[in-house]
Amino acid sequence: NAGVTQTPKFQVLKTGQSMTLQCAQDMNHNSMYWYRQDPGMGLRLIYYSASEGTTDKGEVPNGYNVSRLNKREFSLRLESAAPSQTSVYFCASSGQINTEAFFGQGTRLTVV
Amino acid sequence: DQQVKQNSPSLSVQEGRISILNCDYTNSMFDYFLWYKKYPAEGPTFLISISSIKDKNEDGRFTVFLNKSAKHLSLHIVPSQPGDSAVYFCAALGGSNYKLTFGKGTLLTVNP
Repeated sequence: NAGVTQTPKFQVLKTGQSMTLQCAQDMNHNSMYWYRQDPGMGLRLIYYSASEGTTDKGEVPNGYNVSRLNKREFSLRLESAAPSQTSVYFCASSGQINTEAFFGQGTRLTVV
Repeated sequence: DQQVKQNSPSLSVQEGRISILNCDYTNSMFDYFLWYKKYPAEGPTFLISISSIKDKNEDGRFTVFLNKSAKHLSLHIVPSQPGDSAVYFCAALGGSNYKLTFGKGTLLTVNP
């Protein structure tokens, strides 16, 4: 009964380093999302994938890339990390349109 | 331009009383609304939703009201319990668009 699984849970990067956040869901959902949560800013959509093979920009896509590897997996890549990308990142998935999204536990990323 | 607004960053109520959390939206294309609850160090969890064809949806202690003409929805929790203390996010979907848009959240504290 895993739902949405994110790895890693914590990460510290130096400015300029790259890394990939992994996300997998086992609910056979079509849509997947990456959000970031910052104090006082709520949850802001970075990228989403409405279905396997498609990806679209959200509200704050700059500095990020995504890959919808297959129906289960949706990864988020930071090519050159910046301190402004220090945040908590959440992956989510949803099934049919107009249904709730299920979230992972989050990845706390610090860029120094 | 924030499309989903939660204008109260925080709310404090006494145990047993009613909690009312408010949310306003600006995008007329939104036709499905959700409330999520988030505890510290956890991912958001779905609470309750409402379609734009309804004006009320109830699930146990939680009721969501939708006023389409005012572009306003509210979440009522009655009676409030200390375990309800969390950040509550309002979210919206619409226009056959899979982009789930969140407000900034309201921190609810229920005092024993």
